[in-house]
Amino acid sequence: RKEVEQDPGPFNVPEGATVAFNCTYSNSASQSFFWYRQDCRKEPKLLMSVYSSGNEDGRFTAQLNRASQYISLLIRDSKLSDSATYLCVVNAVLGNEKLTFGTGTRLTIIP
Amino acid sequence: NAGVTQTPKFRVLKTGQSMTLLCAQDMNHEYMYWYRQDPGMGLRLIHYSVGEGTTAKGEVPDGYNVSRLKKQNFLLGLESAAPSQTSVYFCASSPLRGRGTEAFFGQGTRLTVV
Repeated sequence: RKEVEQDPGPFNVPEGATVAFNCTYSNSASQSFFWYRQDCRKEPKLLMSVYSSGNEDGRFTAQLNRASQYISLLIRDSKLSDSATYLCVVNAVLGNEKLTFGTGTRLTIIP
Repeated sequence: NAGVTQTPKFRVLKTGQSMTLLCAQDMNHEYMYWYRQDPGMGLRLIHYSVGEGTTAKGEVPDGYNVSRLKKQNFLLGLESAAPSQTSVYFCASSPLRGRGTEAFFGQGTRLTVV
């Protein structure tokens, strides 16, 4: 089983719609969780951190469910500029901390 | 606003050749990482470093070596390149780990081994 699993998509969503991604992780000792965004042929960039209480940043909402070991990202009122690959990232503390990436979910917003 | 800089950005190697990828960060970060990204595989950790003079193996370290002689630089070496090492390589850095700490990435190096 992969440490971090995501549905690769692609998700093709009309502009203005709401879209949700889920991500599951296998290591119950994982401490920190993130969503990164990667545009085509570019480097990944942090979209938002994910906290146990859930957090919101404008149109983006992230949730963490530790009991079920999954993370979600909700995008409301999607824009054309939201088209990208979204990477779920987990930090498992194993003596020396390192980030583990999911394979990413590709999102295309259709006009 | 340099952040994390990788050189070179593109390279074509013949099988068996060697090369070194350089990563430099100007944010005084403790942690540095080398990842490779392949279609359908996501980002996989090759090696990482938790401070100057230290290195550790990641998920896919075979065929690569690294050095962190200076805090700001993290070098990735391929001693004898193979076609399986054709990939996009990303370097990243982050400060001492804390909850929600962000990793910053370089722009990537596209390597083709023929």
